[in-house]
Amino acid sequence: NAGVTQTPKFQVLKTGQSMTLQCAQDMNHEYMSWYRQDPGMGLRLIHYSVGAGITDQGEVPNGYNVSRSTTEDFPLRLLSAAPSQTSVYFCASRGTAKNIQYFGAGTRLSVL
Amino acid sequence: AQSVTQLGSHVSVSEGALVLLRCNYSSSVPPYLFWYVQYPNQGLQLLLKYTSAATLVKGINGFEAEFKKSETSFHLTKPSAHMSDAAEYFCAVRAPASNYGNQFYFGTGTSLTVIP
Repeated sequence: NAGVTQTPKFQVLKTGQSMTLQCAQDMNHEYMSWYRQDPGMGLRLIHYSVGAGITDQGEVPNGYNVSRSTTEDFPLRLLSAAPSQTSVYFCASRGTAKNIQYFGAGTRLSVL
Repeated sequence: AQSVTQLGSHVSVSEGALVLLRCNYSSSVPPYLFWYVQYPNQGLQLLLKYTSAATLVKGINGFEAEFKKSETSFHLTKPSAHMSDAAEYFCAVRAPASNYGNQFYFGTGTSLTVIP
């Protein structure tokens, strides 16, 4: 009964470092999304995918890359971390038949 | 385009009092509307959703919301607050044929404090 699993839960990076935030879901959902949550700004969509091999940009895609090689996994890559990317990142998934998004527990990222 | 406005970033109520969290939306087509709750250090959990059926929607933990098209509102209420209701609440909208692959637009959130 895992749902949406995000790793790591916490991460501290130095400016310029790269890393990948992992997201996996076991519900065979077609749609997957990455959001960032910042105080007073709610959740903002970074990238999304409507199926394996298909990704597209959301509202705030700069500085992030994604890929979707399998239905289950949707990693988010920071190629050169910046302090402005300090945030809480949430991965979400949903199937096409329902309007319910399921969220992971989040990754708290600090960029120094 | 779709957007969501949550009035009041912080709301405090006494235990046992009415909870009212406000949400107004804008959408060019009849939307789907949602309320999510986020407990500290956790992800978002669906409270309830409106998808063009009954305008009064009941959710988990005693919460309900009413879709009012004339007011473009979807306010969340609970008759009697409990200490365990203290959390961040997010309103979200999704239009059936929206941009970004039918994605969701979230409000900025309302932090609910329950006073003993």
